[in-house]
Amino acid sequence: GENVEQHPSTLSVQEGDSAVIKCTYSDSASNYFPWYKQELGKRPQLIIDIRSNVGEKKDQRIAVTLNKTAKHFSLHITETQPEDSAVYFCAASLYNFNKFYFGSGTKLNVKP
Amino acid sequence: DTGVSQNPRHKITKRGQNVTFRCDPISEHNRLYWYRQTLGQGPEFLTYFQNEAQLEKSRLLSDRFSAERPKGSFSTLEIQRTEQGDSAMYLCASSSAPGQGKETQYFGPGTRLLVL
Repeated sequence: GENVEQHPSTLSVQEGDSAVIKCTYSDSASNYFPWYKQELGKRPQLIIDIRSNVGEKKDQRIAVTLNKTAKHFSLHITETQPEDSAVYFCAASLYNFNKFYFGSGTKLNVKP
Repeated sequence: DTGVSQNPRHKITKRGQNVTFRCDPISEHNRLYWYRQTLGQGPEFLTYFQNEAQLEKSRLLSDRFSAERPKGSFSTLEIQRTEQGDSAMYLCASSSAPGQGKETQYFGPGTRLLVL
């Protein structure tokens, strides 16, 4: 089955700096890659996603890049703000969206 | 609230007892997923329903776990003969048929299970 690895497990940045979180996946058939933000005690919420036919997608301060050949994808947050502090999870799914495999999470701390 | 709801939000039980959790998805969503999340880990896939049909089940799911979605609306997850290792947050998520961004999963608040 699919295996998703996520790095780093913790990330501390100064407010205004950029943050990058990286994930690798093992199954080349995976073609949908969402990113979720989970604040303490709350449910995961989708922040951005990308399909395998696209190399990059951007939404304001958040961007995701995908390298299908290397089987890795990354989340980029620019101009970080304290409210970006949370745990971020990457995930991968096959074309039928019947299963989602999640990474182990990155705890982002944005220091004011 | 038109989001995904789960009940109960918390459950404390003794080892060996059976527990049942309920998930009510967003009404127009035909896809429903169950996940288990332990502290410091990402959600771990348990099972998936499309309407009332259970189409995927994790190999990690022991025979003590069973899930149903009898009318293609709400779903229940039952754990029989609970063990301490079952202590976790159980999350439910729902989505529409994939395409045009509708594959987005919306998560419920979860049921936190503690097995003593």
